[in-house]
Amino acid sequence: DIQMTQFPSFLSASVGDRVTISCRASQTISSYLNWYQQKAGEAPKLLIYAASSLQSGVPSRFSGSGSGTDFTLTISSLQPEDFATYYCQQSSSSPLTFGGGTKVEIK
Amino acid sequence: QLHLQESGPRLVKSSETLSLTCTVSGVSFSSSSDYWGWIRQPPGKGLEWIGYMSYSGRTYYNPSLRSRVTISVDTSKNQFSLKLSSVNAADTAVYYCARVLSTVTTPFDYWGQGTLVAVST
Repeated sequence: DIQMTQFPSFLSASVGDRVTISCRASQTISSYLNWYQQKAGEAPKLLIYAASSLQSGVPSRFSGSGSGTDFTLTISSLQPEDFATYYCQQSSSSPLTFGGGTKVEIK
Repeated sequence: QLHLQESGPRLVKSSETLSLTCTVSGVSFSSSSDYWGWIRQPPGKGLEWIGYMSYSGRTYYNPSLRSRVTISVDTSKNQFSLKLSSVNAADTAVYYCARVLSTVTTPFDYWGQGTLVAVST
């Protein structure tokens, strides 16, 4: 199985901050990488697919980059509604696997 | 607008079979070329992919669960279902149904609200 490692697992930030979350795959996955946001008590929401494609309806302050084994999700200016847990997910090979999550909290 | 809703028993006895149904509105299964899947999340933990089914009925399962999982579709009811046999405490989780976006990286773009299923010992 491909292991997905996210770091940090927790970060504290302020409204307006630029936030970067990293995700590393245990083997190369090309651009088969998706990002989700999950708020407490809710289902995950797709933000980015294919490493850098913004899902329809998602604010442009979210962006993704990377290929191969190293990927990044960036929030250019953190908004109050962005405090949540973020997950990366690979779809290069079965089983599909998710990272352990990065929880973004208010400083 | 696509909407998914999980339904089924919230409590299942250990060693029995967990059965959930996902009812989909906003698209007709009979004319859809979409894939439909299940993901679960144990309380306070991360996400685990269970499997998904193509519009043609082909199934793809997580190898760790393959011996116990069946995903099926009822196009007449616009529903797809999950059966997980021989459950134990480790199967206690929030179960989500989701649609797979038709793009090469097959992300899950629409999700149900999720339903918590507890396994009693």
